[in-house]
Amino acid sequence: LAKTTQPISMDSYEGQEVNITCSHNNIATNDYITWYQQFPSQGPRFIIQGYKTKVTNEVASLFIPADRKSSTLSLPRVSLSDTAVYYCLVGDSGAGSYQLTFGKGTKLSVIP
Amino acid sequence: EPEVTQTPSHQVTQMGQEVILRCVPISNHLYFYWYRQILGQKVEFLVSFYNNEISEKSEIFDDQFSVERPDGSNFTLKIRSTKLEDSAMYFCASSELIRAKNIQYFGAGTRLSVL
Repeated sequence: LAKTTQPISMDSYEGQEVNITCSHNNIATNDYITWYQQFPSQGPRFIIQGYKTKVTNEVASLFIPADRKSSTLSLPRVSLSDTAVYYCLVGDSGAGSYQLTFGKGTKLSVIP
Repeated sequence: EPEVTQTPSHQVTQMGQEVILRCVPISNHLYFYWYRQILGQKVEFLVSFYNNEISEKSEIFDDQFSVERPDGSNFTLKIRSTKLEDSAMYFCASSELIRAKNIQYFGAGTRLSVL
């Protein structure tokens, strides 16, 4: 499983765009990049997944450069309710392993 | 939107007792998982389950733990002879069998407190 590195914490004011970058230098050809969000005392919640270039859904965008050694989760116009821990996961379930390996994530604090 | 449901939300037990944590995965999903999160720590994988058998388990998932799908909807985690260090949030998750994408959907968790 590819190791990921992301900032431990970030602060942002309400209404701003937040970009959280994750490094995954040893990402494999078959690996997808997946981001989860976790609120206190709740289970992780799937946000977005991508393989290359850009993916956008109703919640976030995911930017992946051509070398795929990093990815950036972009949250537009954050609100107080976006305060949570965000996890970047990289893995290939095609290799036979379906377990998700969570790191410590990035704790985002949105300030009014 | 379909969701994974877990019961109870909070379970308090005495050390040495057995507990059963229950989960109802999303109905068309085929893979089921249990994870745990000790307060302030990372989410840790325990076990995955497919086609009525364990497909993977971590070193945490020792003989104290067992999983079962007793009927077509429930998926349970049994912890025998609970210890103080078993106190944690336990999350159930499920996924469709889509290789290479493996998006897992988590329940809200059961907080287990061992006294």
